[in-house]
Amino acid sequence: KQEVTQIPAALSVPEGENLVLNCSFTDSAIYNLQWFRQDPGKGLTSLLLIQSSQREQTSGRLNASLDKSSGRSTLYIAASQPGDSATYLCAVPNYGGSQGNLIFGKGTKLSVKP
Amino acid sequence: GAVVSQHPSWVICKSGTSVKIECRSLDFQATTMFWYRQFPKQSLMLMATSNEGSKATYEQGVEKDKFLINHASLTLSTLTVTSAHPEDSSFYICSARVRGRDYNEQFFGPGTRLTVL
Repeated sequence: KQEVTQIPAALSVPEGENLVLNCSFTDSAIYNLQWFRQDPGKGLTSLLLIQSSQREQTSGRLNASLDKSSGRSTLYIAASQPGDSATYLCAVPNYGGSQGNLIFGKGTKLSVKP
Repeated sequence: GAVVSQHPSWVICKSGTSVKIECRSLDFQATTMFWYRQFPKQSLMLMATSNEGSKATYEQGVEKDKFLINHASLTLSTLTVTSAHPEDSSFYICSARVRGRDYNEQFFGPGTRLTVL
């Protein structure tokens, strides 16, 4: 059964710092991996989707990497801003479950201090 | 494109009442919609998968008679929480898979906060 773990659970950094969020998964046979952002009381915003054949994806100040063999992905945020404060979730498709639903980690709650 | 809406965004109800939550794909046809539940400080957990025109598939431990799902069209799925109790208070989020797009790409609604008094 696929399990997704995110470390750390919470992270507080001063504005301007570069930071890395970690995601690990137990079954390396994934089709893709997706990073989401969730603001308090809100739904999910998709940030980056990395296909299994890719090593990384970039969008603005965000860079996500994927190492399938080791079951790991990282989300790198450059020059963090207070507006980046949110919970970041990673997710992979579940092939053992219902038609490809996503399995989520518990998230990393990021706080960027001005 | 690929916008998913949910209505209502929040609801407060008394114990024992039923609540209906709508999930709509606004600019695309959704072959499959998923319903997730998120308790405080927890991750999203799949409740059920709904396909247009067929019965929903429920995850283990989710009561199908309590959480009624109807997927009447390719753009609308509804989740009805029947005889809601305080332990059903949670954040309910739907997602939709886009017909013709990457099989595993899903788009999420903004969520519905349910509080049962």
